[in-house]
Amino acid sequence: GENVEQHPSTLSVQEGDSAVIKCTYSDSASNYFPWYKQELGKGPQLIIDIRSNVGEKKDQRIAVTLNKTAKHFSLHITETQPEDSAVYFCAASPPNSGYALNFGKGTSLLVTP
Amino acid sequence: DGGITQSPKYLFRKEGQNVTLSCEQNLNHDAMYWYRQDPGQGLRLIYYSQIVNDFQKGDIAEGYSVSREKKESFPLTVTSAQKNPTAFYLCASSIPTGGGKRSNQPQHFGDGTRLSIL
Repeated sequence: GENVEQHPSTLSVQEGDSAVIKCTYSDSASNYFPWYKQELGKGPQLIIDIRSNVGEKKDQRIAVTLNKTAKHFSLHITETQPEDSAVYFCAASPPNSGYALNFGKGTSLLVTP
Repeated sequence: DGGITQSPKYLFRKEGQNVTLSCEQNLNHDAMYWYRQDPGQGLRLIYYSQIVNDFQKGDIAEGYSVSREKKESFPLTVTSAQKNPTAFYLCASSIPTGGGKRSNQPQHFGDGTRLSIL
């Protein structure tokens, strides 16, 4: 089955700096890659997603890039703010999986003022 | 407001007891999912259902059971056969694309149920 690895497990940046989180996946047939933000005691919230026919997608301060050849995708957060502090999860979804997601183990991001 | 409601927020189980976690959605989504989250871990798929009266096992289905009698509801039962049930349980839903063209759609999550053993 699909295996998703996520790095780093923890990341600390100063307010205003950029943060980058990277994920690799194993199943070359995977075609959908969402990113979720989870705050303490809450469910994950979708922040951005990308499909395999697109190399990059941007939404204000957040961007995701996908390299299908290398089977990796990355989340970029620019001009970080303290409210960006949370746990971020990447996921991949191969076709014929009932649309279920395989998640990375998460990155705990801390943005210090 | 449309969304996914999980209840209760906290649940305690005694040894040998079955407990049922509720998940209700009013988003008119066809597909629903149950994931388990352990500290420092990603989410792992327990069961999923793409339509009413149909469901499939995920990666860690042993010790769990589900039903899908209504589109809006997908309850999860943690049975006494699940030896390590303490975890955060998350329910999600999405709309699979219809019309013969199948593709992934965003999954929306509830705020979870935290299950502990007494």
